[in-house]
Amino acid sequence: GEEVAQTPKHLVRGEGQKAKLYCAPIKGHSYVFWYQQVLKNEFKFLISFQNENVFDETGMPKERFSAKCLPNSPCSLEIQATKLEDSAVYFCASSRVGQSNQPQHFGDGTRLSIL
Amino acid sequence: LAKTTQPISMDSYEGQEVNITCSHNNIATNDYITWYQQFPSQGPRFIIQGYKTKVTNEVASLFIPADRKSSTLSLPRVSLSDTAVYYCLVANDYKLSFGAGTTVTVRA
Repeated sequence: GEEVAQTPKHLVRGEGQKAKLYCAPIKGHSYVFWYQQVLKNEFKFLISFQNENVFDETGMPKERFSAKCLPNSPCSLEIQATKLEDSAVYFCASSRVGQSNQPQHFGDGTRLSIL
Repeated sequence: LAKTTQPISMDSYEGQEVNITCSHNNIATNDYITWYQQFPSQGPRFIIQGYKTKVTNEVASLFIPADRKSSTLSLPRVSLSDTAVYYCLVANDYKLSFGAGTTVTVRA
């Protein structure tokens, strides 16, 4: 598609439950990026993929967060045993290449609320 | 990543030109200057990017002086729909880092 599609728009989970977020990048874009926006206007990089391969996972919390980009499927970000501090808006972005001078195209995010 | 400083907020009226200046004294040789726009409940949207001098597209202009220690995003003849947060990013890294941005409010 022509836009990055993120689903669901809102997700509510009780503390300790699993949360799974999805992202369909723009067709033809090889790179996918996940960001977490906890406080207003402050983004944290989580992980990036080049096609189905992890490109950079330096921002991922090691224990409970995992992500995949499988062929012919939306990419996913999964959080096991959610905590209150995981409440945030999670943005996915895609780009044609992974260089810094290439703009990233963002989806509208998934708002995750942990109760 | 080079640290950026931009005004927290700016007010304007429809039809006016809005100029947002971003300071980035520690910009590195390989860094690009990129501006994004974000509306409430939406993801950031790429506006414009430059390395030096002036860049113009259908949405905005970006002015970068020779020393590259600052840049100015110029939005011509704003409308109510330009009310948004504008982010200045300076990096040579695909890991984007968004600061607080500048909240631009356009009034009728």
